Amino acid sequence: DAGITQSPRYKITETGRQVTLMCHQTWSHSYMFWYRQDLGHGLRLIYYSAAADITDKGEVPDGYVVSRSKTENFPLTLESATRSQTSVYFCASSDIRGRYGYTFGSGTRLTVV
Amino acid sequence: SQQGEEDPQALSIQEGENATMNCSYKTSINNLQWYRQNSGRGLVHLILIRSNEREKHSGRLRVTLDTSKKSSSLLITASRAADTASYFCATDPTQGGSEKLVFGKGTKLTVNP
Repeated sequence: DAGITQSPRYKITETGRQVTLMCHQTWSHSYMFWYRQDLGHGLRLIYYSAAADITDKGEVPDGYVVSRSKTENFPLTLESATRSQTSVYFCASSDIRGRYGYTFGSGTRLTVV
Repeated sequence: SQQGEEDPQALSIQEGENATMNCSYKTSINNLQWYRQNSGRGLVHLILIRSNEREKHSGRLRVTLDTSKKSSSLLITASRAADTASYFCATDPTQGGSEKLVFGKGTKLTVNP
């Protein structure tokens, strides 16, 4: 996990609250990704970014917002958390189109009560 | 939607035995990658095989790719208890202008000492 850090590691929040998950990479990778991992669904892409100020939706973007003002940071915000967003969230980065593999963070376990 | 599907979903073997996991996918790809995930951790990139390659080795890992059958296999030889983890295949599709890997749901490998 060296070079990409996620914070917090664990988070409990209440329904309706806004929460932001942080992701920071030191590789200067162009691409960054947010996935959620749930039992029975595997990894699902939420949002990704090809470069600073360029973001695009993945498979399950509803209820999430991202921004990327700097290459190294890619925060994920849940605008109004719902119980269905209880999950483990992973940030990843890669250089050119993932052709040399993705580097993943250690994940944030989010519980919405 | 998942592109790759791993088989079996779970595999339990004794230390020293070989472990074989399979991955099937649906569309043409640029490359296929295998990742390992230890419990509670992020995914770690193991190996990448390009669409024009048939076999690749890395230490105790051997990956094969059959593009005519749209399938890949990951062989771990002389397994160790430390190999206990979930293993995911991920495909880089050629179509759609996508810049993202598509992950399967994984095979959970347990190596008993």
